[in-house]
Amino acid sequence: KAGVTQTPRYLIKTRGQQVTLSCSPISGHRSVSWYQQTPGQGLQFLFEYFSETQRNKGNFPGRFSGRQFSNSRSEMNVSTLELGDSALYLCASSLMTGSGAQYFGPGTRLTVL
Amino acid sequence: EDQVTQSPEALRLQEGESSSLNCSYTVSGLRGLFWYRQDPGKGPEFLFTLYSAGEEKEKERLKATLTKKESFLHITAPKPEDSATYLCAVQGGSGGGADGLTFGKGTHLIIQP
Repeated sequence: KAGVTQTPRYLIKTRGQQVTLSCSPISGHRSVSWYQQTPGQGLQFLFEYFSETQRNKGNFPGRFSGRQFSNSRSEMNVSTLELGDSALYLCASSLMTGSGAQYFGPGTRLTVL
Repeated sequence: EDQVTQSPEALRLQEGESSSLNCSYTVSGLRGLFWYRQDPGKGPEFLFTLYSAGEEKEKERLKATLTKKESFLHITAPKPEDSATYLCAVQGGSGGGADGLTFGKGTHLIIQP
């Protein structure tokens, strides 16, 4: 069974731009969660989507948003990029909402200049 | 607010030298405690779920245990391929909807041949 895939793997943007990251979950998994990972803060929860609905949201500003499509694929958008948004963005999928046993993709490395 | 503290931050062992990693947590209504392994350049890989104090889980050279305030990941006779960052996460909340995972910053484990 194919794992979680994320595209692109690497991205370089400048301050003020916006970016969209994509995640395809494991086949059959309907929940997709997004996390930001930085050396200083570690892994931080952004939000979770299940059946095209946002089920929970972490403590991030409204510049961070997401959506999920009917095939469970998910996108995350960051508007008005700041230098501090440079991070590894990880997507994780699970069968059901609220599951702590999640399967992570390799991440998208975002660099904001 | 849920909090997870892992110690030590880094640990270097000789091959075959057993040790334990600590994860201390504070959470409102523990729904689960999770251990993940992360290799450089990859997303975290799920290892264990623990739900209640006294519970233990084993996988190869790894054994995870849980008390009301902390969890331990015991590594018995480790091999160089066990080198990785080990992450602990909790899921709290009173139920009803999805709650994101709160991660510790991890223990960077190096096993020398």
